[in-house]
Amino acid sequence: DVKVTQSSRYLVKRTGEKVFLECVQDMDHENMFWYRQDPGLGLRLIYFSYDVKMKEKGDIPEGYSVSREKKERFSLILESASTNQTSMYLCASSLQQDRAFFGQGTRLTVV
Amino acid sequence: AQKITQTQPGMFVQEKEAVTLDCTYDTSDPSYGLFWYKQPSSGEMIFLIYQGSYDQQNATEGRYSLNFQKARKSANLVISASQLGDSAMYFCAMSPFNQGGKLIFGQGTELSVKP
Repeated sequence: DVKVTQSSRYLVKRTGEKVFLECVQDMDHENMFWYRQDPGLGLRLIYFSYDVKMKEKGDIPEGYSVSREKKERFSLILESASTNQTSMYLCASSLQQDRAFFGQGTRLTVV
Repeated sequence: AQKITQTQPGMFVQEKEAVTLDCTYDTSDPSYGLFWYKQPSSGEMIFLIYQGSYDQQNATEGRYSLNFQKARKSANLVISASQLGDSAMYFCAMSPFNQGGKLIFGQGTELSVKP
């Protein structure tokens, strides 16, 4: 069974902390994505990667960075967490022409 | 720029009846893909159905069908014989051709199935 696993379901962090959200896929997919989900706005693309060590900005990259050192792992980094980054974060992976498979999501609260 | 619009924030349907969830899109790309995903309260995004812009026939997957009207730029999801387990958020999404995971999402429609 295909799987995208996010390291945490729920996370509470303080303003100003550096936060790492980890995502691992076991499907040997080239493409990996980080989305943010907010009520009434749907999902918005933060960053994506088409290969190891490669990254591209999505629609809302400000305040975030990413790391992809291995094909199966894609990390989202909040350099200095702020309250407006409280949200649900979803990781996804895909092949070039196929649908995206999503992780279970991480609900991050910044206090 | 690409855009997806779902105009129904919430919908109710009686169990065993059919329901249509609306989706319109805007793009200047000649080739693209259209997707529907389901998100139950547990949070995971579940793929339901896919339609390519050059596909001649409407996509079907079990109880799900996609009513694709290219000229009107609409991609409505039809769920036949609704079940209680269909209660969830439903998202319409679009991707450029050959970039299956790079998705633009609509705002979502919350479907409630009544017994």
